[in-house]
Amino acid sequence: KNQVEQSPQSLIILEGKNCTLQCNYTVSPFSNLRWYKQDTGRGPVSLTIMTFSENTKSNGRYTATLDADTKQSSLHITASQLSDSASYICVVSAGDSNYQLIWGAGTKLIIKP
Amino acid sequence: DADVTQTPRNRITKTGKRIMLECSQTKGHDRMYWYRQDPGLGLQLIYYSFDVKDINKGEISDGYSVSRQAQAKFSLSLESAIPNQTALYFCATSRASGSNTGELFFGEGSRLTVL
Repeated sequence: KNQVEQSPQSLIILEGKNCTLQCNYTVSPFSNLRWYKQDTGRGPVSLTIMTFSENTKSNGRYTATLDADTKQSSLHITASQLSDSASYICVVSAGDSNYQLIWGAGTKLIIKP
Repeated sequence: DADVTQTPRNRITKTGKRIMLECSQTKGHDRMYWYRQDPGLGLQLIYYSFDVKDINKGEISDGYSVSRQAQAKFSLSLESAIPNQTALYFCATSRASGSNTGELFFGEGSRLTVL
C-alpha cells in the first residue's frame, strides 16, 4: 500500500534555531516528492518538488533532501522565524497514469520567541 | 486578489441539505481539483478535471458530485450532506504536465460543518 509517514508529529523550537523534519515513503513507482507549507486555516503552498535524480533542493531557508534508495526525505529549516510556524506536508507522486498524490499527515511546527 | 478563490469560506448546514462549494481561478490553468482535509490525515482527492469536458473521480468521490462550468470554474456539490462530511475542502489548480500532476496551487479553503 502506498504510504507517506512524517515525523515528528509536532515540534516546538525557539526562534533562530534550526530544525529537520522527516518523511518516509513506500510509494511505487515513484515520480517526484514535494514539500508543502500550510499555515493554519490556509491552503498548502509548494516549497519544493524533487524528482528521482535530485538529492538536494533549496528554497531560501528551506532545504529538502531526497534519498530514493532508502525512500526518505528531510526538510531542513535554517534560522527559524516566527512565520515558519505552520504544518509541513510531504507528498509523493506515484509514477503511474492516475495522477495519484499520496499525502502525509504533516508535521506541525511551532516557533517560540 | 487570490488566484484561486473559494466560496463560501465557512458554511454550517444540517443533515440532508444540498450544499455547493464554488471555485474560480485566474491562473489560466487547465487542471482543477477538489480535496478534503480532516484533522490528523493527509489531503484526500475527491474529483479532478483536466478540461471543461473531463471529469474524473478521486479516492473519495462517494456522496459528492462536481461540475466544470468553464475553464476557470469548478464546483463541488454535496447532494445530501451528512455529518461525516464535516471537513475543510480545498480547490486546487495546476498546469498540464503530461502524465503527472504538476505543481498545485490551492485556494484558501471552505470549512463545512454538517450538524
